[in-house]
Amino acid sequence: KNEVEQSPQNLTAQEGEFITINCSYSVGISALHWLQQHPGGGIVSLFMLSSGKKKHGRLIATINIQEKHSSLHITASHPRDSAVYICAVGPPMYSGGGADGLTFGKGTHLIIQP
Amino acid sequence: DAGVIQSPRHEVTEMGQEVTLRCKPISGHNSLFWYRQTMMRGLELLIYFNNNVPIDDSGMPEDRFSAKMPNASFSTLKIQPSEPRDSAVYFCASSFIGDLLLAPMGNEQFFGPGTRLTVL
Repeated sequence: KNEVEQSPQNLTAQEGEFITINCSYSVGISALHWLQQHPGGGIVSLFMLSSGKKKHGRLIATINIQEKHSSLHITASHPRDSAVYICAVGPPMYSGGGADGLTFGKGTHLIIQP
Repeated sequence: DAGVIQSPRHEVTEMGQEVTLRCKPISGHNSLFWYRQTMMRGLELLIYFNNNVPIDDSGMPEDRFSAKMPNASFSTLKIQPSEPRDSAVYFCASSFIGDLLLAPMGNEQFFGPGTRLTVL
């Protein structure tokens, strides 16, 4: 079973700061997901990636398959970015699955202060 | 699109009672997942279905938990009898998986709003 570790667990920063959240996993994967969970509880998928880098607005996600590591960056952070950010991985396709359930990190609780 | 729909949004019940959670996936999606979130353990996969067939239920805690997907547009997660330690938020998610050769990494999962279950 894949072990997914996220750091930091908690992060408080000032508005405008550059934010980095890290995720590492123990075995090969099909894809890595970054999810956002707001205080209301809803979960939104931010990125799904298996190599390289993806960018949506102020959010950037990178992954290094060889190092089994991914980072989520937020540029020009804003109080509305305050949420829990969760890294999740799917097992390799050769494990026999088609759509396979995700294994989740514990999440990073981000607070952006004005 | 309405997204993934879950009902009820909140459920409070007494220990020993049967609880049924419901999920309607996004139309056209062929995979459905049930997850549970607790403070202690975070998010965990309980079971998932491909084309209405349960694929992996190894995450289901015990025989008190059962899940069904009678058709492509509906799934239930049932707990009988419920216990206080079952209190959690239960999420349903769906995705579409096409040809594994064309899309080997699968596809994005869309989450429902969750059902907050409290067992007294």
